[in-house]
Amino acid sequence: GESVGLHLPTLSVQEGDNSIINCAYSNSASDYFIWYKQESGKGPQFIIDIRSNMDKRQGQRVTVLLNKTVKHLSLQIAATQPGDSAVYFCAENQAGTALIFGKGTTLSVSS
Amino acid sequence: SQTIHQWPATLVQPVGSPLSLECTVEGTSNPNLYWYRQAAGRGLQLLFYSVGIGQISSEVPQNLSASRPQDRQFILSSKKLLLSDSGFYLCAWSEGAPNIQYFGAGTRLSVL
Repeated sequence: GESVGLHLPTLSVQEGDNSIINCAYSNSASDYFIWYKQESGKGPQFIIDIRSNMDKRQGQRVTVLLNKTVKHLSLQIAATQPGDSAVYFCAENQAGTALIFGKGTTLSVSS
Repeated sequence: SQTIHQWPATLVQPVGSPLSLECTVEGTSNPNLYWYRQAAGRGLQLLFYSVGIGQISSEVPQNLSASRPQDRQFILSSKKLLLSDSGFYLCAWSEGAPNIQYFGAGTRLSVL
């Protein structure tokens, strides 16, 4: 079936580096993508979203890139901080009320 | 602004006991409501969603049920818990398109 996945389950970076978290999706009909951040023991928190008619969207220290040709989504975090340590999920909306979530990438930031 | 409340935060229940988890949303009307389960180190599995009072869609056949007695209240229940029901349960809401879902703090359920 259709699914959303991530290339790497874990990513370790140094404080101040830029982080790139990747996500591959398989349903070309998905019209909307979302990135969530989940800290330990808490619910996922919305970070940024992007519509399928866009290639790039920027937020505060975060940028999401969408490559529909290869069905790839990425989240870039600039100047990564220890507080960015969490599990990051991508999710795709398939023209319905349900989101399909990926398995998540654990980002570890060391000082 | 909208807020979502989910309780309790943690729960330890014996096998065979009933379950009732409650979720309420404030600051919005007629939201879509969702229940997810997250196993340790895993992604989110959609259990139920509701687009209105009394309207429940089940995504996964299981030992659980959901109800929406009021517009902004969503309840997850079980008559008899199984060991496999242990996990982290998350409630979420959205206002339709775009389908950005906002999550509660979650309930950690341990069935022993």
